[in-house]
This record gives sequence, structure tokens and C-alpha cells, in this order.
Amino acid sequence: RKEVEQDPGPFNVPEGATVAFNCTYSNSASQSFFWYRQDCRKEPKLLMSVYSSGNEDGRFTAQLNRASQYISLLIRDSKLSDSATYLCVVNDFNKFYFGSGTKLNVKP
Amino acid sequence: GAVVSQHPSWVICKSGTSVKIECRSLDFQATTMFWYRQFPKQSLMLMATSNEGSKATYEQGVEKDKFLINHASLTLSTLTVTSAHPEDSSFYICSAGTVARANEKLFFGSGTQLSVL
Repeated sequence: RKEVEQDPGPFNVPEGATVAFNCTYSNSASQSFFWYRQDCRKEPKLLMSVYSSGNEDGRFTAQLNRASQYISLLIRDSKLSDSATYLCVVNDFNKFYFGSGTKLNVKP
Repeated sequence: GAVVSQHPSWVICKSGTSVKIECRSLDFQATTMFWYRQFPKQSLMLMATSNEGSKATYEQGVEKDKFLINHASLTLSTLTVTSAHPEDSSFYICSAGTVARANEKLFFGSGTQLSVL
């Protein structure tokens, strides 16, 4: 069983749409959680950390549900520039495990 | 934010040769560096965890004799792909952190695209 699982998508949405991604993790003792964004053949870039209380950064909102072992990312008012692959990352005793990524295509 | 430099960005080599990839932390001391591999349209797969001054810890299924990792200083880790074959062609990427705290973020190098002919 993979440590981190994501729906690979792609999610094809129009500009201005709201889109949500989910990610599940297998180890209930995992310690910290992140969403990264990766553009084609580039290194991943940190989008935001995910806290139990939920956190928001502009159009992006992240949630963590420890009981159900899932993480979510909500993007409001999608922009063309949001098109990328979004990676769910779990820190498991100082090893960082990546989900397979969810591809988002925002279309005009 | 912290900067991690990875070199080279891309390399093409003949089958059977060895390729060395360098990963440097430019403005912080990286006690731990991670090496990942990413095949097209797939996720980053953790290959090994490298701790300064000690042997690397390899993930299951990764051959330690084929992927040699050296982390001799707090700012430099190298990955050597020995006797490379076409199936080793992939995007290799390093990341570094000071994982004294469990919630430390990762900082990534820009990646190395390896093509083995």
C-alpha cells in the first residue's frame, strides 16, 4: 500500500471555478503535511503547509483530517496560472513521501 | 527562502558510463538530504536519505551499489549513477532540510534530467 494516495486527475476546469483535491495517507503517526506544486519538468515548490486547524492563503485553503487520514486542498477562483500538478506530501519520521500528484488544467 | 543548487541540469551519456549529480545547500547547513527519482507522469519516488557523515539509507528496491550517495559535508551531497543503462533515464532531484524538527520543510534542487543512450 502506498504511503500517500492521490487522484491523478486530470481535473479540467474553466477559469473562475472552484476545485478541490484530496489525498489520503496510510501512517496514522505521520507528523506533518504539505501541498507542493510542480510544473512540468521543474522542481516541486511548496504551496502551503497543512495544519489540523485548517489554513488559508489567499485563494487556497488546506485542511487536515487526522481521524480519517486525509488532506484536502481547495482552490477558489481558478486562474490559468494555477495549471500544474499538485503534490500531497507527508512527513513520516523525517522522511518525506509524495503522492502521485493531481494534474489541474485551468482553461479559458 | 533556502536555496539548493543541483548540477548538472541535464546530462546525456552512453550506456555503461557513470554519472555524478551534485546537490549543494547554498545558505544553510543541510544535515539531511533526500534523493528522488521521477519517471514521466509519475510521482517523485524517494530513493535514499543521506545524513552528513554517515551512510545513506536506501528505500526498498533501490540498489545501493548502483546509486552511490556521498554526503561528506553539511553543504554537499552527491549521487553517482554507476554503469548507467537506458532504464536509468529519469529526472533526479535532491532536496535538503535541517530535520531537527519533524515539521521541517523541504527545499529542492532544480533537478537533473538524465538520458542514457
